[in-house]
Amino acid sequence: DGGITQSPKYLFRKEGQNVTLSCEQNLNHDAMYWYRQDPGQGLRLIYYSQIVNDFQKGDIAEGYSVSREKKESFPLTVTSAQKNPTAFYLCASAPGYSSALFFGSGTQLSVL
Amino acid sequence: DQQVKQNSPSLSVQEGRISILNCDYTNSMFDYFLWYKKYPAEGPTFLISISSIKDKNEDGRFTVFLNKSAKHLSLHIVPSQPGDSAVYFCAASGDPSGTYKYIFGTGTRLKVLA
Repeated sequence: DGGITQSPKYLFRKEGQNVTLSCEQNLNHDAMYWYRQDPGQGLRLIYYSQIVNDFQKGDIAEGYSVSREKKESFPLTVTSAQKNPTAFYLCASAPGYSSALFFGSGTQLSVL
Repeated sequence: DQQVKQNSPSLSVQEGRISILNCDYTNSMFDYFLWYKKYPAEGPTFLISISSIKDKNEDGRFTVFLNKSAKHLSLHIVPSQPGDSAVYFCAASGDPSGTYKYIFGTGTRLKVLA
C-alpha cells in the first residue's frame, strides 16, 4: 500500500525543546517537501529536497532543520529557535518536475 | 510577496450548480498548476493539474482553465455536491533551473448547500 506516512499525528513541545517529525514515503519519489499550515492560512514551504543528501530552504526555514540520508525519509526538526511552532505540519513528495505533489496526513504540533 | 493568490476566502453554492474557484499568480515562469482539496486536520488531496502549454484540462466534474496572458486560473466543479465542501488550494511550480518548488495560495473555503 504505497503512500506517505507522517508520525506522530499529535506532538507536544516543551519550552526550549527540539522535536522531530517523521516523514516516510514508499512511492520511490525523488523530491520531498515540508509545509506548515497555520489556522485559516495557506501552506508555506519550510524545506524541500530534490535528491538524497541535498535540500534547500523554503520561505520559512528559520528555526527548522532537515536531513535527507535516505530517499524514502525526510525528517523535520523543530528547534528551540522556532518561537512560534504551533501549527499543522505537512510532508509531501513528488516523482519529479511538473508532476503532482502527494501529501501525508499531517502532524499537529502544539506548545505546552 | 505572495506569488499565488486566492482572493476569495469563501464561496457558497447551491447543490447542483457550478462552483468556480479562482487563482491568480504573478511569476510568469510558472509552468505547471495544480488544485487540491483539503479537509481540516488532513493532508490535501490532489484534484487536477494543467501544464502551461494547455488552456483547459478536464477530469470528470472538475475542469481547470488557464489564461496565461492574465496569469489566472480557475477550477470549475459541475455539478457541485455537498461532499465538495472543503478548502481548495491552487498551487504553481516552475523555474528555469528546474527546481521542484511548489507555491500555494491561501485557499478558498467552498460550502455546497443542499
